[in-house]
Amino acid sequence: GAGVSQSPRYKVAKRGQDVALRCDPISGHVSLFWYQQALGQGPEFLTYFQNEAQLDKSGLPSDRFFAERPEGSVSTLKIQRTQQEDSAVYLCASSIQTSPNSYEQYFGPGTRLTVT
Amino acid sequence: ILNVEQSPQSLHVQEGDSTNFTCSFPSSNFYALHWYRWETAKSPEALFVMTLNGDEKKKGRISATLNTKEGYSYLYIKGSQPEDSATYLCASTVAQKLVFGQGTRLTINP
Repeated sequence: GAGVSQSPRYKVAKRGQDVALRCDPISGHVSLFWYQQALGQGPEFLTYFQNEAQLDKSGLPSDRFFAERPEGSVSTLKIQRTQQEDSAVYLCASSIQTSPNSYEQYFGPGTRLTVT
Repeated sequence: ILNVEQSPQSLHVQEGDSTNFTCSFPSSNFYALHWYRWETAKSPEALFVMTLNGDEKKKGRISATLNTKEGYSYLYIKGSQPEDSATYLCASTVAQKLVFGQGTRLTINP
């Protein structure tokens, strides 16, 4: 079956530009996560949805970052007025489970954002 | 603050040799430990999810062990092949989200 897909795969933005990154989770997966991976570091949590509800956005680095999942399926991560420090790979993951335990997250290939 | 640490950060291994690397994590409030393999330009691929102290899992030439009391996990690769070249990430589950280490970048030399 189809895995998690993300688009675009690569995005170059000029500083100050707004960008929107899309994630299509695995069909039927209730939970959706966004992570940011800066060069040389491990992925870091940004935000988490259960269906359309954003249950945790504690990892969003500033109010320029906004995520939504209006119908509980596709999610969009929007970054306003991009800065150079926003350059990173943005990973999306989905999971079938809703309980606060150990279940596997399935990742997309990521969107590599470069801000010039 | 939850810190997950991996060592070494990078590793070069001769084809055919076996290797292992380490993930350490806080042992309090432990839920699960995940290992992923991430090849360039691809999606991170789940290798193992482990929850029980003493757990050992195996997938082909790759295996992993878990010690939740002391807060560490080892990943072993037996008879390394060029296709094993990748970054290996471990992560601990904290309230649904994953907290990752920095990864171990493995390069297999033919």
